[in-house]
Amino acid sequence: GAGVSQSPSNKVTEKGKDVELRCDPISGHTALYWYRQSLGQGLEFLIYFQGNSAPDKSGLPSDRFSAERTGGSVSTLTIQRTQQEDSAVYLCASSPSDRVYNTGELFFGEGSRLTVL
Amino acid sequence: AQSVTQLGSHVSVSEGALVLLRCNYSSSVPPYLFWYVQYPNQGLQLLLKYTTGATLVKGINGFEAEFKKSETSFHLTKPSAHMSDAAEYFCAVSEGIKAAGNKLTFGGGTRVLVKP
Repeated sequence: GAGVSQSPSNKVTEKGKDVELRCDPISGHTALYWYRQSLGQGLEFLIYFQGNSAPDKSGLPSDRFSAERTGGSVSTLTIQRTQQEDSAVYLCASSPSDRVYNTGELFFGEGSRLTVL
Repeated sequence: AQSVTQLGSHVSVSEGALVLLRCNYSSSVPPYLFWYVQYPNQGLQLLLKYTTGATLVKGINGFEAEFKKSETSFHLTKPSAHMSDAAEYFCAVSEGIKAAGNKLTFGGGTRVLVKP
């Protein structure tokens, strides 16, 4: 597709369950970012991928959170043993890394809204 | 470390009035600065950005922002508000284009309400 695609768009789960959120970046974008947007909060950085490796995972809030990226494309953010405070919108973004095309801008998906009951 | 402060989490303006959203940043290196807009149930869309060169930058939908290094500010303005401007606006800073990625640090956001 033309833009960043995220699924599911909405997820309701029970406390203690595991969830997986998926991000399909813009074709050719080698950099991929996950952010979290909690109610009334700004955007909190979680993790950054360059290709399949994650040089910066400093924003992951706990070891219940993990992410992977395969084939330099699709990424999955996994939250284990979900807690109510994990309820938020999880946004994925991508950008090209090639200096010719990279203008510093991130291109965002529409997000996955997670509600933990 | 970088940080961004947006003054006012909510702003209410009348249709046709000036929109002014304030953003101050801190950065140890010359910053790249961005304003993004988020309409309800949508992702973030770039309004405008400053990288280098002219300090007054124009974006989509009639918005503009001016980079003032001495004030470490990047305030967003629009001369005349339209009902369609009702949204949440985020200011962001990065350290520019780096091999380690363009991680953006965002402010807390300002929600704009436009009154008829």
